[in-house]
Amino acid sequence: AQKVTQAQTEISVVEKEDVTLDCVYETRDTTYYLFWYKQPPSGELVFLIRRNSFDEQNEISGRYSWNFQKSTSSFNFTITASQVVDSAVYFCALSEAGNSGGSNYKLTFGKGTLLTVNP
Amino acid sequence: ETGVTQTPRHLVMGMTNKKSLKCEQHLGHNAMYWYKQSAKKPLELMFVYSLEERVENNSVPSRFSPECPNSSHLFLHLHTLQPEDSALYLCASSQDLAGWETQYFGPGTRLLVL
Repeated sequence: AQKVTQAQTEISVVEKEDVTLDCVYETRDTTYYLFWYKQPPSGELVFLIRRNSFDEQNEISGRYSWNFQKSTSSFNFTITASQVVDSAVYFCALSEAGNSGGSNYKLTFGKGTLLTVNP
Repeated sequence: ETGVTQTPRHLVMGMTNKKSLKCEQHLGHNAMYWYKQSAKKPLELMFVYSLEERVENNSVPSRFSPECPNSSHLFLHLHTLQPEDSALYLCASSQDLAGWETQYFGPGTRLLVL
């Protein structure tokens, strides 16, 4: 069965600090997809990134970067020079291609990490 | 309107009331989802529809009744709810029903059952 673990329940940083949010996943499928979502206090889950299991290249988008390492089953998210507007709950999620017999559309979420960026 | 919209944004209801949550997606997607988000718990998938056909009912009590009249609209009909049903209910849509498809979420309906 697929599982996503976000061990950090809450993180608090001061503005302009760099912060890394950890995500560890478990899956039996050889093909799978990893996602990060941001949930600000308003409640909407905002899609940030999708990564395929066969593409281990790290990605950078502005102040955001993602480090995908299949060897450690991790997909960590780093915010550089954090800002107050980055304060939110961040969710890591996993879906499978269904090769191991499971559903190929269910999105399994971690419990989320609450990031607070203080001015 | 763009993306996924949900109404109402907030709802307070008694245990004997009947109410409905509405979700509309403006993305031309074929799959729609209902999720429940309770405090301190991971998001729970409740129902999944693909091309207006229900493909998932994740052991949800019958007091929650979904309806998908077309691929753009999804409803969640509520009746005789319990206080533990208080939560944020999120609707999502994706192009199709597949693991590689990104699900796009609406802003949610915050439900309080008294």
